[in-house]
Amino acid sequence: RKEVEQDPGPFNVPEGATVAFNCTYSNSASQSFFWYRQDCRKEPKLLMSVYSSGNEDGRFTAQLNRASQYISLLIRDSKLSDSATYLCVVTPSGGSYIPTFGRGTSLIVHP
Amino acid sequence: NAGVTQTPKFQVLKTGQSMTLQCAQDMNHNSMYWYRQDPGMGLRLIYYSASEGTTDKGEVPNGYNVSRLNKREFSLRLESAAPSQTSVYFCASSEGRSNEKLFFGSGTQLSVL
Repeated sequence: RKEVEQDPGPFNVPEGATVAFNCTYSNSASQSFFWYRQDCRKEPKLLMSVYSSGNEDGRFTAQLNRASQYISLLIRDSKLSDSATYLCVVTPSGGSYIPTFGRGTSLIVHP
Repeated sequence: NAGVTQTPKFQVLKTGQSMTLQCAQDMNHNSMYWYRQDPGMGLRLIYYSASEGTTDKGEVPNGYNVSRLNKREFSLRLESAAPSQTSVYFCASSEGRSNEKLFFGSGTQLSVL
């Protein structure tokens, strides 16, 4: 089983829709969680960190469920510019803190 | 304002040729990483360096070598390129603590014919 798993999609949604992605992780000792955004052929960039209590940044909401070992990303009022691949990243506690990436979920927002 | 600088942006090699991908960061980060990204595979860690003077294998190290030349620079070498190494390569750096984000270079598109 891969350490970090994501549904590759694509999720194809109209502008203004609400869409949610989940990401599951296998290492229960994982400590830090992030969502990155990657545009086609570009480098990944941090979208937001995921905190235990959940956090929001504008139209984006991230949540962590430690008991079920998954994190989620909710995008409200989708824009055309939200079209991208969303990468889930999990970092273990202790050791060398090597982040592990999921394969990414593709989102396509259409007019 | 440079962040992570990665060169070259594009490279075409013939099977058996060698080359070095260069990466430098100006953020005084302790940790540096080399990833490769293939369609449908996500980012896979090739090698990483947790601090100056140390390097360790990641998930897919075969066919690659690395050098952490100093705190700023972390290079990736292909000694004898193979078509299976055709990929997009990303260098990244971070402070090295678990809650620190990664900063990426702009990537190298490598084709091995």
